[in-house]
Amino acid sequence: QSVLTQPPSVSGAPGQRVTISCTGSSSNIGAGYDVHWYQQLPGTAPKLLIYGNSNRPSGVPDRFSGSKSGTSASLAITGLQAEDEADYYCQSYDSSLSAPFGGGTKLTVL
Amino acid sequence: QVQLVQSGAEVKKPGASVKVSCKASGYTFTSYYMHWVRQAPGQGLEWMGIINPSGGSTSYAQKFQGRVTMTRDTSTSTVYMELSSLRSEDTAVYYCAREDSSVTGDAFDIWGQGTMVTVSS
Repeated sequence: QSVLTQPPSVSGAPGQRVTISCTGSSSNIGAGYDVHWYQQLPGTAPKLLIYGNSNRPSGVPDRFSGSKSGTSASLAITGLQAEDEADYYCQSYDSSLSAPFGGGTKLTVL
Repeated sequence: QVQLVQSGAEVKKPGASVKVSCKASGYTFTSYYMHWVRQAPGQGLEWMGIINPSGGSTSYAQKFQGRVTMTRDTSTSTVYMELSSLRSEDTAVYYCAREDSSVTGDAFDIWGQGTMVTVSS
């Protein structure tokens, strides 16, 4: 059971907007720790997508955005494209001195 | 360029130990913390622990306390993760990942390619 909770799957048609939620608690996200998001394409290592709640590393399209409020965070993807089909993970820190990941969300582009 | 290159796949018997290496290049090895993350087949990412390559201090996830040891060799810019008393549930891809505190806060900005560890009798 992951400390951070994500929906197992989301889907959307090309061009649409989808959001992925990440729900934590007062010992991680709610304690003020940053939330980061990773994209994992099939058979590859995860790639940093969003850091510090809402910042994009160089090279990540602005179709990807992140936000945080209270004990939750969200990843939004606009203008959905076929190549966005992947697994997405949120990650934060916890007051137990761990760095937990969410359970992951599989994005299907219809 | 900045990269992490991990050692090759391993097959171990239950009860044995495995030691995976992660060689860093393209940056100052001692300036960035390194984490280990694993992923069982068809499952999500699981954080295992962190090592400070500068002083060698470590912190492990409670689940792995007593079974995992993370070390580093500054002369070769390599970190190691050793997991003992292996069981079938430890079958997974093991990743090293760099934490870039200076730019991305505590996010993991660079990942190794992964090392498949199979535990089977």
